[in-house]
Amino acid sequence: DSGVTQTPKHLITATGQRVTLRCSPRSGDLSVYWYQQSLDQGLQFLIQYYNGEERAKGNILERFSAQQFPDLHSELNLSSLELGDSALYFCASSVVPVGTGLTDTQYFGPGTRLTVL
Amino acid sequence: GNSVTQMEGPVTLSEEAFLTINCTYTATGYPSLFWYVQYPGEGLQLLLKATKADDKGSNKGFEATYRKETTSFHLEKGSVQVSDSAVYFCALSERNQGGKLIFGQGTELSVKP
Repeated sequence: DSGVTQTPKHLITATGQRVTLRCSPRSGDLSVYWYQQSLDQGLQFLIQYYNGEERAKGNILERFSAQQFPDLHSELNLSSLELGDSALYFCASSVVPVGTGLTDTQYFGPGTRLTVL
Repeated sequence: GNSVTQMEGPVTLSEEAFLTINCTYTATGYPSLFWYVQYPGEGLQLLLKATKADDKGSNKGFEATYRKETTSFHLEKGSVQVSDSAVYFCALSERNQGGKLIFGQGTELSVKP
């Protein structure tokens, strides 16, 4: 158990809908990362938050957005869903002292499997 | 941009065989290197890491050495077990890019009894 929790575990929805994925980081971790794992694109970084602020953006579609709340949990919102959005979405957390240039280990949650029908 | 390339799978071995999974990287700076493992139906677990050239990461009998001259981080294990069957991901993280991980495509390992 990594200490990172994600809900729900599975999500089945229809095209055009909107869903919210939730992530609770390990206790004490200030940084949250979201990744998408799909068969054709592999594992791709989407977005990072540190202590409530967006720090880095990757290949995240404009239809997707995220935020980190004061209690440090994070939500990934996916809207106007398309068939191609079906994937495993992982959240990871780490203690990354922003500004120090240090790299810390990321601990991954179990993922949310999204199926768009 | 930064990238990671892994040998293609699937790799099928007999129990107690020697394992090598090749990984090479392209990076502009001085990345940290990682191997993550994903067991069927589970999330990713950190297997080992190395943060500077010539460092050797090791865990559970697996080893990988950070080779800057060949930009490689090959994963090795002397004697694999059936329980090692999983997908293995090589990844890098640049210190000046917030720590995001860039992954290789993954290599599926299947170990037969």
